Amino acid sequence: DIQMTQSPSSLSASVGDRVTVTCRASQGIRSDLAWYQQKPGKAPKRLIYAASSLQSGVPSRFSGSGSGTEFTLTISSLQPEDFATYYCLQHNSFPRTFGQGTKVEIK
Amino acid sequence: QVQLVESGGGLVKPGGSLRLSCAASGFTFSDHYMSWIRQAPGKGLEWVSCISGRDSTIYYADSVKGRFTISRDNAKNSLYLQINSLSADDTAVYYCGRSCTVDSWGQGTLVTVSS
Repeated sequence: DIQMTQSPSSLSASVGDRVTVTCRASQGIRSDLAWYQQKPGKAPKRLIYAASSLQSGVPSRFSGSGSGTEFTLTISSLQPEDFATYYCLQHNSFPRTFGQGTKVEIK
Repeated sequence: QVQLVESGGGLVKPGGSLRLSCAASGFTFSDHYMSWIRQAPGKGLEWVSCISGRDSTIYYADSVKGRFTISRDNAKNSLYLQINSLSADDTAVYYCGRSCTVDSWGQGTLVTVSS
């Protein structure tokens, strides 16, 4: 199985900050990675697919990059509504595996 | 728009069984793989299973293989998850999702395993 290691597990940031979350795959997964945002009590929402493609309707301050084993999600200017938990998902092979999540909190 | 509505969760005793359902609308159901994902209270997301649109090719997480059975009825636009031999570790919100890359999610249904 492919292991997805996400870092950091949590971070504190201020509105307007640039935020970066990283996911590392235990083996190469090409660009077969998605990023999700989850707010408390809500279902996750996909932000990025194929490592760098922005889901329709998602603000352009979100971006994804990487391929192979190293991937990043960047929020260019953190907004109040972005405080949430973020997960990566590899969809290169079965079983699918999620990263353990990164909680973005208000500083 | 894509809509996924789960049902069937509830309180069940250890060793019991449950059948979860997911009603889909807003897209051609039979054209899409469908997934189940779960989330234990306060924990991260765990992918559970995925089924193809027409030929019922099925994949499971190792943690549920042999106890969980995914199925679908394309005539009813519905996805199912039969869960047997439940233990406390299966307590979670169970989400259905469109595709094995999960581009859309339902709101989830809570399964609580407790005596």
